[in-house]
Amino acid sequence: AQSVTQLGSHVSVSEGALVLLRCNYSSSVPPYLFWYVQYPNQGLQLLLKYTTGATLVKGINGFEAEFKKSETSFHLTKPSAHMSDAAEYFCAVTKNQAGTALIFGKGTTLSVSS
Amino acid sequence: NAGVTQTPKFRILKIGQSMTLQCTQDMNHNYMYWYRQDPGMGLKLIYYSVGAGITDKGEVPNGYNVSRSTTEDFPLRLELAAPSQTSVYFCASRPTGGSPYNEQFFGPGTRLTVL
Repeated sequence: AQSVTQLGSHVSVSEGALVLLRCNYSSSVPPYLFWYVQYPNQGLQLLLKYTTGATLVKGINGFEAEFKKSETSFHLTKPSAHMSDAAEYFCAVTKNQAGTALIFGKGTTLSVSS
Repeated sequence: NAGVTQTPKFRILKIGQSMTLQCTQDMNHNYMYWYRQDPGMGLKLIYYSVGAGITDKGEVPNGYNVSRSTTEDFPLRLELAAPSQTSVYFCASRPTGGSPYNEQFFGPGTRLTVL
């Protein structure tokens, strides 16, 4: 079975500081990994995804994530936080099987202070 | 394209009432999903569909029913509402072709309260 663990339900950073949101996964097959962002009272929007190939993945809004198979991790980073980054972030995994849905972590709320 | 649309945006139900949450997508996606989101719990899959006429249970299907008569529509039915069904419900769809790493597109959600 697949699962996702997001370490830290709430992360607070100052504007301009490094953002690091942690995600570890469990999968018996090669996973496909995703980060989604949810702004208040909105649906989820894809930030980036890892499928195969390059392990460092770049997404929208300056975010990137690195797939580390040996550590079963897919941490999300951004070099410099902006106030507009305040949102809830979800890590998700799926497997290479048609029709399968995403399995989500519990989410991490990012707060950015000025 | 409007993408994935959901109605209503908000609803308050009394225990035992029934209702249908509507979901429509105009992207000709075969795959559609219903998730519920509870605080601190992430999103859980309720039901999904791989095409018109084909549906299957997800992780938390009890108390819900779905149908898929067209490619565009995937309604979620609550027959006997219970307080445990208070949640935010998201509908999502994925492009035709079935590649699991294709992006899922989410609707704006329906916030349901059962009192």
